[in-house]
Amino acid sequence: DTAVSQTPKYLVTQMGNDKSIKCEQNLGHDTMYWYKQDSKKFLKIMFSYNNKELIINETVPNRFSPKSPDKAHLNLHINSLELGDSAVYFCASSQSTTGFVGYTFGSGTRLTVV
Amino acid sequence: AQSVTQLGSHVSVSEGALVLLRCNYSSSVPPYLFWYVQYPNQGLQLLLKYTTGATLVKGINGFEAEFKKSETSFHLTKPSAHMSDAAEYFCALAGGSQGNLIFGKGTKLSVKP
Repeated sequence: DTAVSQTPKYLVTQMGNDKSIKCEQNLGHDTMYWYKQDSKKFLKIMFSYNNKELIINETVPNRFSPKSPDKAHLNLHINSLELGDSAVYFCASSQSTTGFVGYTFGSGTRLTVV
Repeated sequence: AQSVTQLGSHVSVSEGALVLLRCNYSSSVPPYLFWYVQYPNQGLQLLLKYTTGATLVKGINGFEAEFKKSETSFHLTKPSAHMSDAAEYFCALAGGSQGNLIFGKGTKLSVKP
């Protein structure tokens, strides 16, 4: 069983479309994250949820909306996609909100906006 | 403010040579430090972590890192590089403004035959 699974792995879509990325973890962790990795491999946190409650919301366009139906799932919905949204999006989970125990990452979703 | 600096965006070594990837940090509190590896088209995998206690930390695949408080460093080493070590390596610090991990910009390791 994959600990943190993301779907889809690849996503190619046109500008202006709306798309969702799903993430599920079976580790029993309380905290989940979305990170964006740009073309230069830089990782930037976008959102964090702890037991379904939003605890981190970095400066991200409000076209991005996370949703956590339960503590095992954290989805990312993106409206009106733009070329600059092209990146790899990683979901991660952790036992702690402080990051002191580290994260377990999913394998990523490569989003390409054309 | 907490920050992580990885020196060298690209390091190239020959197979069998020593691997040294450099990481310096800035933290106002005792740091929790991590090294992650990212193989092509994959997610990040934890190599090793320093929390408290022993300053020399051993990880998977023969890697180790030494925490040096006086130098604010947490460099990653491996005595003998293998072709399979070619990947992107990230140093990370726990304790961002909202408790998240802060990542360095990554170092790409190439291994020549």
